[in-house]
Amino acid sequence: AQTVTQSQPEMSVQEAETVTLSCTYDTSENNYYLFWYKQPPSRQMILVIRQEAYKQQNATENRFSVNFQKAAKSFSLKISDSQLGDTAMYFCAYAPVGDMRFGAGTRLTVKP
Amino acid sequence: GAVVSQHPSRVICKSGTSVKIECRSLDFQATTMFWYRQFPKQSLMLMATSNEGSKATYEQGVEKDKFLINHASLTLSTLTVTSAHPEDSSFYICSARSGGYEQYFGPGTRLTVT
Repeated sequence: AQTVTQSQPEMSVQEAETVTLSCTYDTSENNYYLFWYKQPPSRQMILVIRQEAYKQQNATENRFSVNFQKAAKSFSLKISDSQLGDTAMYFCAYAPVGDMRFGAGTRLTVKP
Repeated sequence: GAVVSQHPSRVICKSGTSVKIECRSLDFQATTMFWYRQFPKQSLMLMATSNEGSKATYEQGVEKDKFLINHASLTLSTLTVTSAHPEDSSFYICSARSGGYEQYFGPGTRLTVT
């Protein structure tokens, strides 16, 4: 079975600080993608960052970066210089060819 | 690019009636579309996967006779909740893929069954 685990149901961070959300996954596949999605109160799923499993270099998108450890099956998201607009649910997703599986989510609150 | 729309955004129906939700890929051809269900404060649960022109593949525990999925074209998939009951009230999200790994998500439909 392929599962995605987010062990932090809720987290908070002060504005302008850095926070890291953790994600682990279980798979026997070698080729897959990993994603972090943000879901604000509007509930629209917004892609934050993607990582291709065959790439060793960690993906970065402005203030967002990942720490991808393929052997450990770990895919954490680091948000630098946190902003109030970053307050949302964050879902880690694992996508082999075929479908996408989501973790339970982490509710992040950025405090002013 | 890669925009997916859903209609309606909100729907209220009476118990026992059927309701149809549309999912459209606006600027690309979606060979595969996915339907998810999300309960409050929970994650997305995959209900079914549909490929254009073929029958949908349902996840274990999802009643295919209750949740009818049609993917008649490369830009449109529909989910029909038949004989809806209050326990079917939920947030339904569709996504679409044109190939590869990434899915593009619609804005979701909030269904309330009274």
